[in-house]
Amino acid sequence: DARVTQTPRHKVTEMGQEVTMRCQPILGHNTVFWYRQTMMQGLELLAYFRNRAPLDDSGMPKDRFSAEMPDATLATLKIQPSEPRDSAVYFCASGFAVGTAFSGNTIYFGEGSWLTVV
Amino acid sequence: AQKITQTQPGMFVQEKEAVTLDCTYDTSDQSYGLFWYKQPSSGEMIFLIYQGSYDEQNATEGRYSLNFQKARKSANLVISASQLGDSAMYFCAMREASSMNYGGSQGNLIFGKGTKLSVKP
Repeated sequence: DARVTQTPRHKVTEMGQEVTMRCQPILGHNTVFWYRQTMMQGLELLAYFRNRAPLDDSGMPKDRFSAEMPDATLATLKIQPSEPRDSAVYFCASGFAVGTAFSGNTIYFGEGSWLTVV
Repeated sequence: AQKITQTQPGMFVQEKEAVTLDCTYDTSDQSYGLFWYKQPSSGEMIFLIYQGSYDEQNATEGRYSLNFQKARKSANLVISASQLGDSAMYFCAMREASSMNYGGSQGNLIFGKGTKLSVKP
């Protein structure tokens, strides 16, 4: 059963520390999204990649956040330095897009990384 | 202006009854897709159903159906024969095809604020 895999599932860290979240998209998917979910803001897009190229990271605070896809099987989201306001659930999602359509019309989410910065 | 509006923060339904979760959207695109996701208390986001703007028939997936009214820009989720396990947050989302081209700035799912559904035994 193919699924998007995210690590870590839970992370508690101190303010100022670096946090790296990892995502393994479903094999063969060429589009990867990073979302952040908070009670106040709901689900916000941070970044998305198509064929490993970043297409949009306008939702990401550039001074402390960075997103990369070192290869087709790994996407990373890094926060350095972390702050208490970064506490949230971070979701990775993937899909296979051809032009403007997604195969199967589905975008699958991982189980999320629950981050707490104290 | 919000692209996706879910006006019901919370809903209650009796087990075995049907329930409709509202979703309205705003787009000037002719081509777009509408999604519903379920988020149980465990936190994962589970894809439920998809409706394309050119699909003539309402989408159905088991007990889930999407009441798509294009002129009214609404895409309500109908859950038939509610079960206790249906208690969760439900999110409506939209993807606009015009923003999916390379270099587009919004080629992503735009989510509503969600509706918390509680199924009563």
